[in-house]
Amino acid sequence: DAKTTQPTSMDCAEGRAANLPCNHSTISGNEYVYWYRQIHSQGPQYIIHGLKNNETNEMASLIITEDRKSSTLILPHATLRDTAVYYCIVFSSGTYKYIFGTGTRLKVLA
Amino acid sequence: DAGVTQSPTHLIKTRGQQVTLRCSPKSGHDTVSWYQQALGQGPQFIFQYYEEEERQRGNFPDRFSGHQFPNYSSELNVNALLLGDSALYLCASSSVREDGELFFGEGSRLTVL
Repeated sequence: DAKTTQPTSMDCAEGRAANLPCNHSTISGNEYVYWYRQIHSQGPQYIIHGLKNNETNEMASLIITEDRKSSTLILPHATLRDTAVYYCIVFSSGTYKYIFGTGTRLKVLA
Repeated sequence: DAGVTQSPTHLIKTRGQQVTLRCSPKSGHDTVSWYQQALGQGPQFIFQYYEEEERQRGNFPDRFSGHQFPNYSSELNVNALLLGDSALYLCASSSVREDGELFFGEGSRLTVL
């Protein structure tokens, strides 16, 4: 199973962009990068996903390096409500399962 | 449109007992996955059900079993409870016709005394 490596924790000032890195150096060609976040022991919430190209939605942007060995989730204007644990996951439709790591605990500071 | 619903939200059991947790998937979803999340850890994959069959299983003992019903709802059963089974149990639903996005419920918090 492809694994991901993320920093344990990060701080970000409110209103600034939060850039959360993820290393997935063993990713295979047909595996997607998914990002979820979990707020205070609620169920994880989907944020965004991508295969090769950069992606953007109303919540965030996902930048994937050309060699696909790493990616960065960008929250363009972080708010206090973005304080959560963020999980980067490599997903293969062939295995049907997500492998979560320990994630990055993001704290947005007022 | 109801999302993923789980019951019960909290429960307390003693060692050796058995527990059943229930999950109703999001409308239109046909696949249910179960995860165990210990305090301070990321969710760990238990198993996934599709078409009433267990399609994939994580590294969990046979004490953990499940079932999916024709209406796509699912149950997770844990026998011979151990203290280490105390955790948040998360159910997630998805559809084989869509990308791999999972929709999670709020979880069932199990405490084993």
